[in-house]
Amino acid sequence: EAQVTQNPRYLITVTGKKLTVTCSQNMNHEYMSWYRQDPGLGLRQIYYSMNVEVTDKGDVPEGYKVSRKEKRNFPLILESPSPNQTSLYFCASSSMTGGGKNIQYFGAGTRLSVL
Amino acid sequence: KQEVTQIPAALSVPEGENLVLNCSFTDSAIYNLQWFRQDPGKGLTSLLLIQSSQREQTSGRLNASLDKSSGRSTLYIAASQPGDSATYLCAVDPVLNNDMRFGAGTRLTVKP
Repeated sequence: EAQVTQNPRYLITVTGKKLTVTCSQNMNHEYMSWYRQDPGLGLRQIYYSMNVEVTDKGDVPEGYKVSRKEKRNFPLILESPSPNQTSLYFCASSSMTGGGKNIQYFGAGTRLSVL
Repeated sequence: KQEVTQIPAALSVPEGENLVLNCSFTDSAIYNLQWFRQDPGKGLTSLLLIQSSQREQTSGRLNASLDKSSGRSTLYIAASQPGDSATYLCAVDPVLNNDMRFGAGTRLTVKP
């Protein structure tokens, strides 16, 4: 079954404590990305990756890091979380055709609260 | 910078009605446009993807159209059902950037 798996689904942490949200896909997709979703602001892209070792900033990259050492994994790292990073986070992946992305598959989401 | 707008922000209809959701985008240089469904607290599910060279796509009771030159897409839902209640988002894949641009969504409620 085609899947994008995020862990954890829920996370409560304190300011400054480093955390990692994992994302894994089983579809051999080239493209992976991270979004955050906030009420009234919609879905905003944090980082994306076109392939292994290729990552780039989206709209709201400040305070986040990513890595793409393997094609299937794309972890999101918050080195020093702050309360304004409290949000619902989604990982997504898709294959690529002719420069464009195909159907995007989304994970179930990670609800993060930073106290 | 590509901007995506969805109107209306919320819509409530009685069961059985046909309805149209609108999506507009500012830059017509896109690879494709996708329509997604999101249930509360859940991830997004892709409903339809229209390539830039296509005019429409259909899946069951859903029909999405694309007018790239005018920067518009519509999602038509026929014979709406309470199970269609969700937020519907459109997203464009811009040619000039490798990111994806999402609209804020239309929250649809179908009343029994």
